[in-house]
Amino acid sequence: AQKVTQAQTEISVVEKEDVTLDCVYETRDTTYYLFWYKQPPSGELVFLIRRNSFDEQNEISGRYSWNFQKSTSSFNFTITASQVVDSAVYFCALSEPFLRNSLRGSNYKLTFGKGTLLTVNP
Amino acid sequence: SQTIHQWPATLVQPVGSPLSLECTVEGTSNPNLYWYRQAAGRGLQLLFYSVGIGQISSEVPQNLSASRPQDRQFILSSKKLLLSDSGFYLCAWSVRYQGAATSGSASSYNEQFFGPGTRLTVL
Repeated sequence: AQKVTQAQTEISVVEKEDVTLDCVYETRDTTYYLFWYKQPPSGELVFLIRRNSFDEQNEISGRYSWNFQKSTSSFNFTITASQVVDSAVYFCALSEPFLRNSLRGSNYKLTFGKGTLLTVNP
Repeated sequence: SQTIHQWPATLVQPVGSPLSLECTVEGTSNPNLYWYRQAAGRGLQLLFYSVGIGQISSEVPQNLSASRPQDRQFILSSKKLLLSDSGFYLCAWSVRYQGAATSGSASSYNEQFFGPGTRLTVL
């Protein structure tokens, strides 16, 4: 069964510190997709990144970077020089097809981790 | 551009009362639609998903039901609310995959985009 584990329930840092959010996943699929979402205090989930299972290149977007390691089934997220506005709950998610082994391709649902509450203090 | 709306934003209802939450998507056609609940403790639980009008799949048995009367409208309902139905309800959409898969093309049919949510308190 699909599973996403975010072992860090809460993290608190001081502004300008770097912080890494961990995500470990389990899947029996050979092709899958991993995601990170941000949930600020307003509640709406904001899509941050998608990574597919056949592309292990790390990605950087401004202060955000993602480290995908298939060998350890991990997809970690690092925020460099954190800011107060980064304070939010961050969710890691894993895709699961609606219909497995469909010859016509798949639509997907997501399995989410329980989230990590990041607090950046000034 | 695509937008997703949910209403109401907040709702306080007594136990045993009915519920109707609405979600609509603009700027896209034939989306996949999803309802999630986020209870205390932050985890997101998928409740229902739909790949088309009248097509509803339920993930967990519960006191809720969903309907999709129009292509871009998704409704979450209950006949009698329970205390345990309290939570934050999120609607989401994704592009529906309808063609042959290649290693690259399927990736864009994965992201889900979320609405602002409805905070439901059952007293």
